Amino acid sequence: DIQMTQSPSTLSASVGDRVTITCRASQSISRWLAWYQQKPGKAPKVLIYKASSLESGVPSRFSGSGSGTEFTLTISSLQPDDFATYYCQQYNRFWTFGQGTKVEIK
Amino acid sequence: QVQLVQSGAEVKKPGASVKVSCKASGYTFTDYYLHWVRQAPGQGLEWMGWINPNSGGTDYAQKFQGRVSMTRDTSITTAYVELTTLRSDDTAIYYCATIYGGNSDVGYYFDYWGQGTLVTVSS
Repeated sequence: DIQMTQSPSTLSASVGDRVTITCRASQSISRWLAWYQQKPGKAPKVLIYKASSLESGVPSRFSGSGSGTEFTLTISSLQPDDFATYYCQQYNRFWTFGQGTKVEIK
Repeated sequence: QVQLVQSGAEVKKPGASVKVSCKASGYTFTDYYLHWVRQAPGQGLEWMGWINPNSGGTDYAQKFQGRVSMTRDTSITTAYVELTTLRSDDTAIYYCATIYGGNSDVGYYFDYWGQGTLVTVSS
């Protein structure tokens, strides 16, 4: 099974900050990686697919990069609506998620 | 518009079974695989398996094989997941999800999700 490891687990930040979350795969997944945002009591919502492609309707302050085993999600200027938990997901072979990164208010 | 609407919360005793439904609308039900993902309280997301609504074919994550069954009723565009021999660590929110926009170029990620169904296993 492909394991996904995110860091950090929790991130404290302020509105306007640039935020970066890292995701590592246990083996190469090419660019078959998605990022999701989840708010309490809600289903996950896809932000990024194929490592760096922005899902329709997602603000451009979200961006993704990486390939192989190392990936990042960047929020260029954190907004109040962005405080949530973020998950990476590989879909190279079956589907597995990282453990999540909670972005909280500093 | 694609919509997945799930059944309501369930409370079950250890050893019992639970069956959760997911009604699809806004697209051709038999054209897109339907997946199930669960999330234990305060925990991450765990893929359970998929069903091909057209053929009824399934593929389950190894962890759940022997205890999970995914079925569908095409006449009412509804998919089901049934989990047997429930344990306390099966307490989770169960989501259905589909890969509507996926293709060989962008790959196959979950772009539409149900609202989730909380299953509580407690004596």
